[in-house]
Amino acid sequence: GNSVTQMEGPVTLSEEAFLTINCTYTATGYPSLFWYVQYPGEGLQLLLKATKADDKGSNKGFEATYRKETTSFHLEKGSVQVSDSAVYFCAPGGSGGYQKVTFGTGTKLQVIP
Amino acid sequence: NAGVTQTPKFQVLKTGQSMTLQCAQDMNHEYMSWYRQDPGMGLRLIHYSVGAGITDQGEVPNGYNVSRSTTEDFPLRLLSAAPSQTSVYFCASSRGTGGHEQFFGPGTRLTVL
Repeated sequence: GNSVTQMEGPVTLSEEAFLTINCTYTATGYPSLFWYVQYPGEGLQLLLKATKADDKGSNKGFEATYRKETTSFHLEKGSVQVSDSAVYFCAPGGSGGYQKVTFGTGTKLQVIP
Repeated sequence: NAGVTQTPKFQVLKTGQSMTLQCAQDMNHEYMSWYRQDPGMGLRLIHYSVGAGITDQGEVPNGYNVSRSTTEDFPLRLLSAAPSQTSVYFCASSRGTGGHEQFFGPGTRLTVL
């Protein structure tokens, strides 16, 4: 089935630092790839997505590029803010008849002023 | 649209008690799923449904039952609660599992004593 491996957290950065959260996936076929964000006390919400190889998803200054050759979808942001403190989840969509949507362990980001 | 709603927000049970966590969505989504979130474990899929009358097991289905009699509702039943089921439970829905984002409810925090 489809699955992901994310870098372990927590990740602690100073405000305005550069952020990378690594995500690699295994999948049947070529699923869409998603990053979700969970703010404290809330459910997950979509941050960005990419639907095919070489697509770049972007939102709120975050970016991720669908790399088929390395099966990766790393999340990046050039300058993090305190308000970006949250847990980030990478997830592949369903593909090739595989219907389950599974998530990794998530990566907790803490940004300090 | 209310999106995905979950009730209750908080619940305390004694070992052996049964209860149902409610989940409803008003977006006419075919795909619905239940996850549990535990510290250090990320989100783990309990059960999912690809449409009314169709359900299947996820990664951690033991101790839980589901049914999908309508498109809108997807209740999760704990048959005989155990302390190991103490967790935060999230319901999610989407148009499908391919390129479609998951919409999450606010969660139910369950404690089993």
